[in-house]
Amino acid sequence: ILNVEQSPQSLHVQEGDSTNFTCSFPSSNFYALHWYRWETAKSPEALFVMTLNGDEKKKGRISATLNTKEGYSYLYIKGSQPEDSATYLCAFESNTGKLIFGQGTTLQVKP
Amino acid sequence: DSGVTQTPKHLITATGQRVTLRCSPRSGDLSVYWYQQSLDQGLQFLIQYYNGEERAKGNILERFSAQQFPDLHSELNLSSLELGDSALYFCASSEGDSNYGYTFGSGTRLTVV
Repeated sequence: ILNVEQSPQSLHVQEGDSTNFTCSFPSSNFYALHWYRWETAKSPEALFVMTLNGDEKKKGRISATLNTKEGYSYLYIKGSQPEDSATYLCAFESNTGKLIFGQGTTLQVKP
Repeated sequence: DSGVTQTPKHLITATGQRVTLRCSPRSGDLSVYWYQQSLDQGLQFLIQYYNGEERAKGNILERFSAQQFPDLHSELNLSSLELGDSALYFCASSEGDSNYGYTFGSGTRLTVV
């Protein structure tokens, strides 16, 4: 059974705070690690796809790192804004093509 | 608009019935994936098709089946529906490999009464 765990489950921060979430995943049969942003009443949108150990990706104030040997990835948001409020999903893609999602971290940024 | 089209957006049906959910992938994408999101559950992987052929299978019930047609659209068939099948069903597509992630449709909300 492929298990993808995300923590924390939810997070409330003030505007301007920086924050980070954790995703842990199996270290075997790894192909890629995805991060998605899911706003209420919308569909998940891809943020990053990382494949190599040590990968770091950045998009504006959001960045992510990957450690495939120990099976974890971090997502960082610098200077959170209210529009960053969403659920952030990570997903483990196995080398058999399955993409297994974690339960997500729900971020609420208060103005 | 993500480019992935799912129809219908909403569906209400009775227990024991059969429904078909339809997905048209983003232009150029060969892979289609189906996910189920039940109340308080995350996205559960059901099945993946690539260029018409089944590629990977998740925890898809035997009452559920899917296929991808030559024009690359896909259908998810749900039969002998139970109350517990009520969920949001998402379709996603990708080029083939997933270097840019998956593109999700807006989902079909199925309510079984």
